[in-house]
Amino acid sequence: DTGVSQDPRHKITKRGQNVTFRCDPISEHNRLYWYRQTLGQGPEFLTYFQNEAQLEKSRLLSDRFSAERPKGSFSTLEIQRTEQGDSAMYLCASSPTSDEKLFFGSGTQLSVL
Amino acid sequence: SQQGEEDPQALSIQEGENATMNCSYKTSINNLQWYRQNSGRGLVHLILIRSNEREKHSGRLRVTLDTSKKSSSLLITASRAADTASYFCATDAGSGAGSYQLTFGKGTKLSVIP
Repeated sequence: DTGVSQDPRHKITKRGQNVTFRCDPISEHNRLYWYRQTLGQGPEFLTYFQNEAQLEKSRLLSDRFSAERPKGSFSTLEIQRTEQGDSAMYLCASSPTSDEKLFFGSGTQLSVL
Repeated sequence: SQQGEEDPQALSIQEGENATMNCSYKTSINNLQWYRQNSGRGLVHLILIRSNEREKHSGRLRVTLDTSKKSSSLLITASRAADTASYFCATDAGSGAGSYQLTFGKGTKLSVIP
């Protein structure tokens, strides 16, 4: 399967813990995006990478959220000191520079207890 | 914040009928895209229409765009039970070439009854 891969699919954590999610984009795609989706809402943009450069991060929800793409391939999204309000589906998407449509992974469902 | 708003929020039809979903948005856009999401899964791109286009077709899908009204519609003809999903419009209002920050609406939940 050469689609966007996200790991884990589900994560349950206790409030105050740190969590990290991984995204492996389609191999030839140099753009990578993170979105968050809460129940009954559409996805909300968080951040975006062009290769290893994080070109937009002002929409990350707070300084507890950070993302990396160290070698321009896979990316990680970390949430520190999780809160119950962080419970959501975290979606990763990728695209080639020449294409405006996004290819989404299946997401990581985070539940903060 | 959400740029697009889909209407209706939920739609239930019989198999074989047509389904129409509408999307309104607030700012000028480069393009508007429609995505589909099955329950608990990621989104799948359906169709993209650029700001200088008025209508586009792809298989059983027909999309229209009215930039003067800041609205779009998605028509699915001859619906099938497998079309049951949530449908989202997403707008690209970025100034650069290519989208990087799509703004999604809340979606229309479509149920097609066999």
